[in-house]
Amino acid sequence: ETGVTQTPRHLVMGMTNKKSLKCEQHLGHNAMYWYKQSAKKPLELMFVYNFKEQTENNSVPSRFSPECPNSSHLFLHLHTLQPEDSALYLCASSQGGADTEAFFGQGTRLTVV
Amino acid sequence: GQSLEQPSEVTAVEGAIVQINCTYQTSGFYGLSWYQQHDGGAPTFLSYNGLDGLEETGRFSSFLSRSDSYGYLLLQELQMKDSASYFCAAASSNTGKLIFGQGTTLQVKP
Repeated sequence: ETGVTQTPRHLVMGMTNKKSLKCEQHLGHNAMYWYKQSAKKPLELMFVYNFKEQTENNSVPSRFSPECPNSSHLFLHLHTLQPEDSALYLCASSQGGADTEAFFGQGTRLTVV
Repeated sequence: GQSLEQPSEVTAVEGAIVQINCTYQTSGFYGLSWYQQHDGGAPTFLSYNGLDGLEETGRFSSFLSRSDSYGYLLLQELQMKDSASYFCAAASSNTGKLIFGQGTTLQVKP
């Protein structure tokens, strides 16, 4: 248990579906992140939020839409995904700053069919 | 581009010492972190080097040389539970943004 909770843990969706991933942290952190982890590839940073404001969008396709309503919650809204979007989506939080530890959730294993 | 290179796999026996190297190329660099990830688990923080030199935390040590754009993670007295993937990650800004290497899968054998 890292203090970062992601739901659902597993998700199967069709290419025409709309779904949302949820991330919650009660560690008092100011920064939250979405990462994508695919087999044989590094963790890829997708989005960064600091104090609820998006500070980084790493050229992510618009079919992925993040939302940060408050500093404890982060969502990733998904629509019209492709099979190659199947991956483990990890949420993390930290105090911000280069030397701070990032706490990761267990991830959502997404399969697009 | 920005990239971190590390070996894809390392195998060692219980009780041994293993070193996982990481070279990086980033547009900005504040420091190097190491994370451990067991199969099906979340990545967990192991160490951070902001300055050149060695940082020691129990059986694990991490080293950084900024002039060589190089770092390593040293694991001593290996145990079976150390079998996992190990990622180096560069802090490319002061916002907590991390750029990860591909990960090194460590297999510890009896």
